[in-house]
Amino acid sequence: GAVVSQHPSRVICKSGTSVKIECRSLDFQATTMFWYRQFPKQSLMLMATSNEGSKATYEQGVEKDKFLINHASLTLSTLTVTSAHPEDSSFYICSARELQGAPNTEAFFGQGTRLTVV
Amino acid sequence: AQSVTQLDSHVSVSEGTPVLLRCNYSSSYSPSLFWYVQHPNKGLQLLLKYTSAATLVKGINGFEAEFKKSETSFHLTKPSAHMSDAAEYFCVVRGANAGKSTFGDGTTLTVKP
Repeated sequence: GAVVSQHPSRVICKSGTSVKIECRSLDFQATTMFWYRQFPKQSLMLMATSNEGSKATYEQGVEKDKFLINHASLTLSTLTVTSAHPEDSSFYICSARELQGAPNTEAFFGQGTRLTVV
Repeated sequence: AQSVTQLDSHVSVSEGTPVLLRCNYSSSYSPSLFWYVQHPNKGLQLLLKYTSAATLVKGINGFEAEFKKSETSFHLTKPSAHMSDAAEYFCVVRGANAGKSTFGDGTTLTVKP
């Protein structure tokens, strides 16, 4: 199957700093990428939908100025957590769907990024 | 609108016995349904998906699921559990919109020796 690579897998940062997480589709082009957040022992919550060349669509309650999403190419989307605080510590996962994928096409998930803010 | 309910937060089975993880969904449109598995601190791996073809779907690692429209269910089964099956399982529904997926709360599967 297609591969989505997420980097870094783990990051520890100081409170007040910013952290960038990359999501790459390695062997296919993805017009749409999704960013999720997962707290311990909880399900995945969609944060935003990232569309190549346009602004991301954020879910209700997600601060767009805090979680900056850039989808500059068909194979790369980035999530930047700005001015991180300990409550932002979580597992962040991206997924990507192929170019012109129908709603029932599979979304491929990255390995996730464990963010710890100290 | 769409939603998905995983009826059991925890399921514990003995190795070699059958596995049943239950999932009910609601969707305004004909849904696509997926089961994913997540091992600790790992990403998600697709087990199987239903996309309006055969109602009995076979997936990887011996898992299968049956789509029952009358019961709005998509339960995941496996005839014989293996220790390596211990993980978190998510049922996911996706409607006929831009492709937004809704995840269930997850079911933790424990396999006892």
